[in-house]
Amino acid sequence: GEDVEQSLFLSVREGDSSVINCTYTDSSSTYLYWYKQEPGAGLQLLTYIFSNMDMKQDQRLTVLLNKKDKHLSLRIADTQTGDSAIYFCAELTDTGRRALTFGSGTRLQVQP
Amino acid sequence: DADVTQTPRNRITKTGKRIMLECSQTKGHDRMYWYRQDPGLGLRLIYYSFDVKDINKGEISDGYSVSRQAQAKFSLSLESAIPNQTALYFCATSDLTGYYGYTFGSGTRLTVV
Repeated sequence: GEDVEQSLFLSVREGDSSVINCTYTDSSSTYLYWYKQEPGAGLQLLTYIFSNMDMKQDQRLTVLLNKKDKHLSLRIADTQTGDSAIYFCAELTDTGRRALTFGSGTRLQVQP
Repeated sequence: DADVTQTPRNRITKTGKRIMLECSQTKGHDRMYWYRQDPGLGLRLIYYSFDVKDINKGEISDGYSVSRQAQAKFSLSLESAIPNQTALYFCATSDLTGYYGYTFGSGTRLTVV
C-alpha cells in the first residue's frame, strides 16, 4: 500500500541549510513531489522528481532520491524567514488509486 | 482569477446539517480531487474524478458524496455533518497524467458545532 512519512517539525537559523526528509513504502512510486503550504494558503508545488532520477536542483532547492532506501529529501540552501511553512512530501504511482498520497507535513521554523 | 476557486472560504454549520462545498477550475483539466487536511495527518483523499463520468472513492469517503457537474466543477457534500468532519478541505485539479503535479485551491475551513 501507499504510505508516506515525514518528521513533524524542523527548526533552523536564517542562512543555514534545511534538510527535510521523507520515506515512502510503495516501490512502484513513479513520481515524487514537494509542496509548500504557507499559513492560511493552499498548497504550492515546489518541485518534483521522477523515479528515474537521483537528484534535481532548482535554484536554492535540491531534491535527492534514494530509490533503494525509498528516501526523498529536500534541501533548502540559505534558508530565509520566508521559507517558514509546512512542507509536504507526496507520491504518485501508476497503479492502484493513481492520486497523490501525502505525508503528514514538516513544519519548518526559521529563526532570525 | 485563481485557477482553482473554492467556495465558501469559511463555514460554520451545525451537527446534522447538509452542506455543500464547491470547486471550479479554469485550467481545462479533466481530473479533479477533494482532500481533507487535519493537523498532523497531512492531506487525505476523499474523492477523485478522472472525467465527468468517472468518480472514485478515496481513503476517507464515508460521510461524503460528490457531484461532477461539468469538466470544470466538482462539489463535495456532507449529507449530515458531524463534529469530526471539522477540517480544512482542499480541491485540486491536474492534467490527464497528474505527473506534473496538482493545482490546489485556497481551501475551505469547515467547522461543525
